[in-house]
Amino acid sequence: EVQLVESGGALVQPGGSLRLSCAASGFTFSTYWMSWMRQAPGKGLEWVANIKEDGSEKYHVDSVRGRFTISRDNAKNSLYLQMNSLRAEDTAVYYCARGFSGNRWGQGTLVTVSS
Amino acid sequence: DIVMTQSPDSLAVSLGERATINCKSSQSLLSSSNNKNYLIWYQQKPGQPPMMLISGASTRESGVPERFSGSGSGTDFTLTISSLQAEDVAVYYCQQYYGNPLTFGGGTKVEIK
Repeated sequence: EVQLVESGGALVQPGGSLRLSCAASGFTFSTYWMSWMRQAPGKGLEWVANIKEDGSEKYHVDSVRGRFTISRDNAKNSLYLQMNSLRAEDTAVYYCARGFSGNRWGQGTLVTVSS
Repeated sequence: DIVMTQSPDSLAVSLGERATINCKSSQSLLSSSNNKNYLIWYQQKPGQPPMMLISGASTRESGVPERFSGSGSGTDFTLTISSLQAEDVAVYYCQQYYGNPLTFGGGTKVEIK
């Protein structure tokens, strides 16, 4: 069974940093693109970033480029999102998703940016 | 960026009746190399992550009830729930995966009338 478990969400002040992690199991992690998506409270879905199977290609939505970095460790079956210079508008549930398109999603981890 | 526009924003349908949700993309999602439409439909119930129902515009995921069907090609797509059940109350999103940035429709909330 495919499992994606996110962790690392917290309350952080504007300008702060967080690192989100996603532990994957139930599939061959190293053979899939992986993605981060987010959903602000009461709002719709937004793609944040995705990364190729071997980590050689990474893409980020314009609103986070230069502040967030997606990465992965295939030996640990783990996906990461380093989030710097956080803003109030980054407040959301962040989901780890399997695949370029995100065909399986984890339960999400809440990031709240507030003073 | 490809803009995805869903309609209606919300929909109230009687149990057992048909529900139809539309999704329009600002450019074609049809690949000429493989004749595939790069469109996904998701269902999201309150407090849960989205669940993929349909990919490739019309291919149902394993375990998804047959009352859910997807149709359309190019820029115009439809999700149909042929006979609405109580457990289908949710928000439905379309998403294009033709290329980055991946983009979603604004969502359609389906309720029971």
